Amino acid sequence: NAGVTQTPKFRILKIGQSMTLQCTQDMNHNYMYWYRQDPGMGLKLIYYSVGAGITDKGEVPNGYNVSRSTTEDFPLRLELAAPSQTSVYFCASSYPSRGRTEAFFGQGTRLTVV
Amino acid sequence: GQQLNQSPQSMFIQEGEDVSMNCTSSSIFNTWLWYKQDPGEGPVLLIALYKAGELTSNGRLTAQFGITRKDSFLNISASIPSDVGIYFCAGPPLIQGAQKLVFGQGTRLTINP
Repeated sequence: NAGVTQTPKFRILKIGQSMTLQCTQDMNHNYMYWYRQDPGMGLKLIYYSVGAGITDKGEVPNGYNVSRSTTEDFPLRLELAAPSQTSVYFCASSYPSRGRTEAFFGQGTRLTVV
Repeated sequence: GQQLNQSPQSMFIQEGEDVSMNCTSSSIFNTWLWYKQDPGEGPVLLIALYKAGELTSNGRLTAQFGITRKDSFLNISASIPSDVGIYFCAGPPLIQGAQKLVFGQGTRLTINP
């Protein structure tokens, strides 16, 4: 029972490089989220999706893009990496049915931009 | 911006003590979630609350959904070393259509041996 799987676990990028953080879930959840967590801070919502083909901005979307072509996958794209994007990125999914909104998280991707 | 305020930001206690923390918002929530995060790991759900006034327990943890629907409380009784970590409250703000899931800034719990 894999749950939410994120890859890679660690990555070092040079300024201006691009990369895609992968997230997949096998729980048939329709809602998926991307968060970033800076050292000693809480989680800030970057983007979220309520279903395949539907995405929307969260609190801190600048510098990121997402797509949701399938229910299972929700990749996060960084086009021009900047040092301010050094953070730990978490993907989560949930299945709000009958008012229940319990989200389950992946293990995170630790990204350093130098 | 941040819609959930957690208090206290950090706690330093002795093993065996009880712990209380809370989360407040200016917005109404229909759901309150409490998570724990261990170092290097993703947050793990501890307790979910869905009804104003609801009191729910999970072992030594007890959480309550405030009557005003703008706050929630988490208590840990008889703390043990494995309780160390960061505790987050979270929920979907009703005003935003209950689709976004926002988090508080966390309460960091440290237990002195």
